[in-house]
Amino acid sequence: SQQGEEDPQALSIQEGENATMNCSYKTSINNLQWYRQNSGRGLVHLILIRSNEREKHSGRLRVTLDTSKKSSSLLITASRAADTASYFCATYTGANSKLTFGKGITLSVRP
Amino acid sequence: GAGVSQSPSNKVTEKGKDVELRCDPISGHTALYWYRQSLGQGLEFLIYFQGNSAPDKSGLPSDRFSAERTGGSVSTLTIQRTQQEDSAVYLCASTLGGWSNQPQHFGDGTRLSIL
Repeated sequence: SQQGEEDPQALSIQEGENATMNCSYKTSINNLQWYRQNSGRGLVHLILIRSNEREKHSGRLRVTLDTSKKSSSLLITASRAADTASYFCATYTGANSKLTFGKGITLSVRP
Repeated sequence: GAGVSQSPSNKVTEKGKDVELRCDPISGHTALYWYRQSLGQGLEFLIYFQGNSAPDKSGLPSDRFSAERTGGSVSTLTIQRTQQEDSAVYLCASTLGGWSNQPQHFGDGTRLSIL
């Protein structure tokens, strides 16, 4: 099974609303990363949060990490139609391990 | 160019043919990764290069798949005797170092369709 699993699988919101996406994982991590993928394109790195961090911000993005619950959330505030994409969490467990991706969340932002 | 470049962007071929997919990483990036993404799925790791060597090729699904990297730069992923289940998007990524705290930089992928 996946190390990182996102929830929900799909999310549809109105422009201007906030979007919250969750990621759960199974084993201890070194860091957790969120990526965005627009249709027909490669993945674009959004934000990386280390295991000793609890929250990080980047523009309209806010990521939290709860290592006790083995979960992370990505909040996009004041969403825009251009935020429509798939979002993936990826976990890195450290030393010679792989970066393991979840199956992704499809976010649709209606204008 | 500034980013990871993959070619071709689309490839349609008949079952049983061989295909070669190319990845040109960001200049100076020593680590290169190949992934496969099936429709609506996450990324499946295939192989990791550090320089020209492949310390981890555990994700290659069968001996029909092989990859090489020359000059610490361009990599080619070769699929021999293609099967319909090989249809997917093949993504390449690169980083400055190996598996680490660094984000991965992705190309736009090669969409492979096996008829």
